[in-house]
Amino acid sequence: EPEVTQTPSHQVTQMGQEVILRCVPISNHLYFYWYRQILGQKVEFLVSFYNNEISEKSEIFDDQFSVERPDGSNFTLKIRSTKLEDSAMYFCASSARRPNQPQHFGDGTRLSIL
Amino acid sequence: GESVGLHLPTLSVQEGDNSIINCAYSNSASDYFIWYKQESGKGPQFIIDIRSNMDKRQGQRVTVLLNKTVKHLSLQIAATQPGDSAVYFCAENSGNNRLAFGKGNQVVVIP
Repeated sequence: EPEVTQTPSHQVTQMGQEVILRCVPISNHLYFYWYRQILGQKVEFLVSFYNNEISEKSEIFDDQFSVERPDGSNFTLKIRSTKLEDSAMYFCASSARRPNQPQHFGDGTRLSIL
Repeated sequence: GESVGLHLPTLSVQEGDNSIINCAYSNSASDYFIWYKQESGKGPQFIIDIRSNMDKRQGQRVTVLLNKTVKHLSLQIAATQPGDSAVYFCAENSGNNRLAFGKGNQVVVIP
């Protein structure tokens, strides 16, 4: 069964450094998403991406964050100048052609900021 | 607003019994709902979805019920198995491509 894959599974970074989290969505999906989950809390929406542009973003997704689809398979989340409170699980998801289709999630990247 | 903390509501269920997990959603404009299962160290795994023009949908061993009047969603798991032990989240979509997740319910299956 096709799945969303994310790398790395765990990223440890010094505060103030930049990180890039990588995702390979399901191959025939057109909508891509990033979510985060701080330990013990709800999964929170960050951003959705369609047709090579951001279609929706939350108040969490400020200028520190950016997303990119650099080629036909990868979808990345960049966090510039990381802060301690950026420590969380970051999940990538993708869905098929239309909105209101199931979003399928990867297993996440655990980001630890020291 | 909601309080968020480390402790999730927990449902302990005997293996073979049926489980019912409840969720109250917040946005009356939401028109699409999903139940996800999350095991330790894994991402949310799609279980079943339902659109707002339905009030019930059945899958393999699972049934989702939607009551739009009281903004309530439930997931019923038949003949619960040890592999069903996980955290279960409901999520709602109000048509803008973002899912809003609930707090989650821990299900513990007792062999």
